[in-house]
Amino acid sequence: ETGVTQSPTHLIKTRGQQVTLRCSSQSGHNTVSWYQQALGQGPQFIFQYYREEENGRGNFPPRFSGLQFPNYSSELNVNALELDDSALYLCASSLGDRGTPLHFGNGTRLTVT
Amino acid sequence: GEDVEQSLFLSVREGDSSVINCTYTDSSSTYLYWYKQEPGAGLQLLTYIFSNMDMKQDQRLTVLLNKKDKHLSLRIADTQTGDSAIYFCAGANNAGNMLTFGGGTRLMVKP
Repeated sequence: ETGVTQSPTHLIKTRGQQVTLRCSSQSGHNTVSWYQQALGQGPQFIFQYYREEENGRGNFPPRFSGLQFPNYSSELNVNALELDDSALYLCASSLGDRGTPLHFGNGTRLTVT
Repeated sequence: GEDVEQSLFLSVREGDSSVINCTYTDSSSTYLYWYKQEPGAGLQLLTYIFSNMDMKQDQRLTVLLNKKDKHLSLRIADTQTGDSAIYFCAGANNAGNMLTFGGGTRLMVKP
């Protein structure tokens, strides 16, 4: 059984740039959720995708967008990067639209300078 | 929205029991979770409890849920140095599509 994999592991971007983070879900899982974890804090929910549709969104601006593909992998896109976007971005997969429990990947560490 | 609170830090000696506490505000939370995060890593699911249960035991881990007080605890028996990490509790919303996490409790285990 393959777990959740995320790429890249680390990324450095400049303020104003755009970034795309990628996630492959655990085999057999059809739901992907994205969380942002700032340093020293708990993860915050960004959004969830189920069957290629957004299935819930947290308190993040529209410059945070996502996609889910037919193979259930997912992308998180962030436009117009701000310094406060520096964080660990965690992807989690699960089964179903009431998809819990969540199984997390190791995250992508994004640094915005 | 939901609020989840945890104490920041806990220090125990190897072999002792650890108890990590969590309080939450949303009584409609369906599932409550405990995750472990080691430095530089993602979140590892430890255990979870459905809201109609009072207790769940899984090897060295015991979860207690007091719904009246909205209090959740994780007891780790015979704590080892490898248990040193940050522990997060989280509640699932009624729709089941979102987890709200506490700020994490850093557990330090001294040899």
